[in-house]
Amino acid sequence: QQQVKQSPQSLIVQKGGISIINCAYENTAFDYFPWYQQFPGKGPALLIAIRPDVSEKKEGRFTISFNKSAKQFSLHIMDSQPGDSATYFCAASMRSGGYQKVTFGIGTKLQVIP
Amino acid sequence: DARVTQTPRHKVTEMGQEVTMRCQPILGHNTVFWYRQTMMQGLELLAYFRNRAPLDDSGMPKDRFSAEMPDATLATLKIQPSEPRDSAVYFCASGFGQGDTQYFGPGTRLTVL
Repeated sequence: QQQVKQSPQSLIVQKGGISIINCAYENTAFDYFPWYQQFPGKGPALLIAIRPDVSEKKEGRFTISFNKSAKQFSLHIMDSQPGDSATYFCAASMRSGGYQKVTFGIGTKLQVIP
Repeated sequence: DARVTQTPRHKVTEMGQEVTMRCQPILGHNTVFWYRQTMMQGLELLAYFRNRAPLDDSGMPKDRFSAEMPDATLATLKIQPSEPRDSAVYFCASGFGQGDTQYFGPGTRLTVL
């Protein structure tokens, strides 16, 4: 049972273009939505995160858009660069058993071509 | 530069053998997570520790997997006996407090032949 659905699974974008990755969730108990970036041979690293009381969060070229009523959120990468080529995971977490239990999406492999 | 370390980085073993993976969390962190990553399932939580106590291991196959924290600087994940379907990348992550932010190690790539 996939609690966080992520699409597309792969994405090719030209340098300077906008990369958009979408995620959807079902469980309204989720209260924290991080995005992780993973380079080959490395572990995932927190990129940006949002809480459901905010509709948008921007950090540099990375923006999360959050639609609470639709239970959807997305990552936008503006002015995409070859160095952004990586796998991106959306995630959703909620308090469970005394800690923030994180559920990850399947991942999106982004390739930015020059 | 504080980071989570994992050993070994790569492990190839034969079916039936015991495998032990080790993780050193970031100094001062009191939470440790073990994840398994595969192409088909993505990242799956196997176990969660806080202050060295296992609080959630519901994602872990109990018959062959075990996880421990002998001390605050070492977490171990053991598979005995290993099976080909255990082939995956195993990540350790650490954090502090309620665990909103997790810091991942580089992973152990396990291949069971």
